Amino acid sequence: KAGVTQTPRYLIKTRGQQVTLSCSPISGHRSVSWYQQTPGQGLQFLFEYFSETQRNKGNFPGRFSGRQFSNSRSEMNVSTLELGDSALYLCASSFSGRGADTQYFGPGTRLTVL
Amino acid sequence: AQTVTQSQPEMSVQEAETVTLSCTYDTSESNYYLFWYKQPPSRQMILVIRQEAYKQQNATENRFSVNFQKAAKSFSLKISDSQLGDTAMYFCAFISTGTASKLTFGTGTRLQVTL
Repeated sequence: KAGVTQTPRYLIKTRGQQVTLSCSPISGHRSVSWYQQTPGQGLQFLFEYFSETQRNKGNFPGRFSGRQFSNSRSEMNVSTLELGDSALYLCASSFSGRGADTQYFGPGTRLTVL
Repeated sequence: AQTVTQSQPEMSVQEAETVTLSCTYDTSESNYYLFWYKQPPSRQMILVIRQEAYKQQNATENRFSVNFQKAAKSFSLKISDSQLGDTAMYFCAFISTGTASKLTFGTGTRLQVTL
């Protein structure tokens, strides 16, 4: 099976712009979670989607949003970018999203905000 | 809220030696899972090992094993016969069965394997 894929791998944006990141889960996985990784804050949970519904959300401002399509692919959007949004954004997929299911991570999208 | 603490920011071990990475967590949940993930430099995060809290037996995966002490809320990772390819950031993570897909990570331990 192909692993979790994320596109693009690298992005450079300027403050105030918006950005959309994409994640394709492992075939058969219906849950997609997003995490932000920064040197200062570490790995933080953004949100999780299952069957096109946001099921869980972390403590991030409303500028961070996402969606999931019927084929389980997910996108996350960040509007009005700030310098502090520079990070590695990881998505992870699992079969059901429940604790018993291991989450498999993609390679990440490195976002740089100038 | 759950917290995960990794008190060793960096560790170094010689090839073929054994090293133990520490992790403690805090939770009021009774049903949960614990994981160790490995993130090599500029490469993606991969699962090393997982432990179900209801299982008393410590998980083992080839050269990797854990020491799970539920009462002490401790979950350490032992790497035996360390190899150069083990060089990576290691993250301890927790997930409750009641919080769908929300992994809580520790701050990580950077492990360097030397010749």
